[in-house]
Amino acid sequence: GENVEQHPSTLSVQEGDSAVIKCTYSDSASNYFPWYKQELGKRPQLIIDIRSNVGEKKDQRIAVTLNKTAKHFSLHITETQPEDSAVYFCAGLLNDYKLSFGAGTTVTVRA
Amino acid sequence: DAGVIQSPRHEVTEMGQEVTLRCKPISGHNSLFWYRQTMMRGLELLIYFNNNVPIDDSGMPEDRFSAKMPNASFSTLKIQPSEPRDSAVYFCASSQGGPWGYTFGSGTRLTVV
Repeated sequence: GENVEQHPSTLSVQEGDSAVIKCTYSDSASNYFPWYKQELGKRPQLIIDIRSNVGEKKDQRIAVTLNKTAKHFSLHITETQPEDSAVYFCAGLLNDYKLSFGAGTTVTVRA
Repeated sequence: DAGVIQSPRHEVTEMGQEVTLRCKPISGHNSLFWYRQTMMRGLELLIYFNNNVPIDDSGMPEDRFSAKMPNASFSTLKIQPSEPRDSAVYFCASSQGGPWGYTFGSGTRLTVV
């Protein structure tokens, strides 16, 4: 089955700097990779996703890149703001419906 | 749309008691997922329904756990009897099909004492 590993587990950045979170996956057949943001005490919310026929996708300050050969994908947040502080989860599609989630990265943006 | 609605938001119960968690998916979504979130194990899929039919319950930890979806707008997750190690946040999520664009509910924080 799919195994998604996520690094780092914690990340502290200065406001305005960039944050990068990396995930690797094991199943070369995986073709869908969403990212979720979970604020303290709240539900995970989809922030961006990418499919394996695309190498990069961008939405304002957030971008995701995918390297199918190396089986890794990354989330990039530019010009970080205090409201970007949260736990971020990557996921990989295990089969038609099952997502395998990474362990999460706690991002803290220092003012 | 009110999103995925879960109840209760918090539940504190004594060991051995029955616990029932409830979920109302987004109207028109035909896929429903129950997840459990703990610090140790992260987000784990417990069960997946498609068109009200349980498709994959391989994540249900024990026979003490059961889930039903009697119609397209309602699902329950029951734990009987509950144990302290069941303490976690339980999320329900729905989608229009498969994993695309999951929407999570606000979760139920369960504490078994």
